[in-house]
Amino acid sequence: EAGVVQSPRYKIIEKKQPVAFWCNPISGHNTLYWYRQNLGQGPELLIRYENEEAVDDSQLPKDRFSAERLKGVDSTLKIQPAELGDSAVYLCASSQYNEQFFGPGTRLTVL
Amino acid sequence: GIQVEQSPPDLILQEGANSTLRCNFSDSVNNLQWFHQNPWGQLINLFYIPSGTKQNGRLSATTVATERYSLLYISSSQTTDSGVYFCAVVFTSGTYKYIFGTGTRLKVLA
Repeated sequence: EAGVVQSPRYKIIEKKQPVAFWCNPISGHNTLYWYRQNLGQGPELLIRYENEEAVDDSQLPKDRFSAERLKGVDSTLKIQPAELGDSAVYLCASSQYNEQFFGPGTRLTVL
Repeated sequence: GIQVEQSPPDLILQEGANSTLRCNFSDSVNNLQWFHQNPWGQLINLFYIPSGTKQNGRLSATTVATERYSLLYISSSQTTDSGVYFCAVVFTSGTYKYIFGTGTRLKVLA
């Protein structure tokens, strides 16, 4: 069984540029999560989807971050424009019931 | 406020030693998972354990939900066990959201 797939694995951009991350969850997993992990800290939830519906986006900075999960399968997280403080690892996870499984993450560096 | 605290924050072991990692949470929980984040950043599932005891090879975990803690036991540690161990919980109150603990950074020396 394939795990959670994320791309790209690494991204370096200059501040004020846009960036997008893609996630494909484990087949059959209806719940999809996006997390941000800063250096030396645990992951923090940005948004959770149940199928196509964003059911918890309270921690998503909506002025510059957006996400979508069309057709309830893969998902895209976008930042526009990026700021220096957005440098972090962006993790995608999925679950069928309660146990989450994580992808390898995208390491974003904003210069 | 809602808190998930792990101890110890850092741990250095000699290969072959045993260790116990602790996760304390401030309120009742529905779900609890233990993860190992390896040096390459991948979060690996160890246990889904909202209550009770589970074992998988050299690792075992126990959650005592009524006393608001969970323990992860690592026996006969290996250098590949190095990394950061996180517990993550979903509190019964409030919205359904996994909250990650502060982490335990483990280094196993050969």
